[in-house]
Amino acid sequence: SQKIEQNSEALNIQEGKTATLTCNYTNYSPAYLQWYRQDPGRGPVFLLLIRENEKEKRKERLKVTFDTTLKQSLFHITASQPADSATYLCALDSISGGYNKLIFGAGTRLAVHP
Amino acid sequence: KAGVTQTPRYLIKTRGQQVTLSCSPISGHRSVSWYQQTPGQGLQFLFEYFSETQRNKGNFPGRFSGRQFSNSRSEMNVSTLELGDSALYLCASSLTGGGPNTEAFFGQGTRLTVV
Repeated sequence: SQKIEQNSEALNIQEGKTATLTCNYTNYSPAYLQWYRQDPGRGPVFLLLIRENEKEKRKERLKVTFDTTLKQSLFHITASQPADSATYLCALDSISGGYNKLIFGAGTRLAVHP
Repeated sequence: KAGVTQTPRYLIKTRGQQVTLSCSPISGHRSVSWYQQTPGQGLQFLFEYFSETQRNKGNFPGRFSGRQFSNSRSEMNVSTLELGDSALYLCASSLTGGGPNTEAFFGQGTRLTVV
C-alpha cells in the first residue's frame, strides 16, 4: 500500500544546531515533493518544493534533499531558532484519474530549545 | 493579495445534523482542495475541485460532498454527522492543482466539533 512516513516522535534540539527531518515514502513515484510548516491551530504554510530531477534545494536556512532511489527526502534547518518550533509536513503528488493530488505525511513536531 | 478564507472558524454540531463549510480561494486560483486533519490521522485528502468540476476524491464516505462555484469559491458538506467527524477541516487553493507550480495555500481551517 502507499505510505508516507515521517518521524512521529517530536524532535528536540538545542538552539543553533541543525535540525534534520525525514520523509520516507513507498509505492509512490512523485514528480516533486513539498515541505510545509504548520503551527498549532493554523493551516500549513508552503516552504519548499523539489523536483525529482533535483538532488538538493536551498532557501535561506532551509535545505531539502530528494533521493528517488532511496524514496526519501531530508529537510534541514541550520542555525535553528526557537521560532522554528512547529510541525513540519512533507507532501508529494499522487496522480489519480489523470490529475495530481497532494498527499501529506503526518508530520514531525520540532521543538528548538534556547 | 488576500489569502484563503474559510468560514466559519469554529462550529459545534450535534450527531445526525449536517454542516456546510465555505472556502474562498486566492484570487486567480482555480483549484480548491479539502483536507480533514485529526491528531491520529494527520491530513487526509477529501476532494479537489477545478473549474467547478471534481477532479479527485479521497477515501471518505458519501456523506462528505462538495462543490465549486464559477467564482472558484467552494463549499463542502457533511451530512448525518458522527462523533468521528470532529476535526480541523482545511481548504487549500492553488493555481492549477497539478504540476510543479502547485504549492498549496491553506486557509486557517474550520474546527468542527460533533457532540
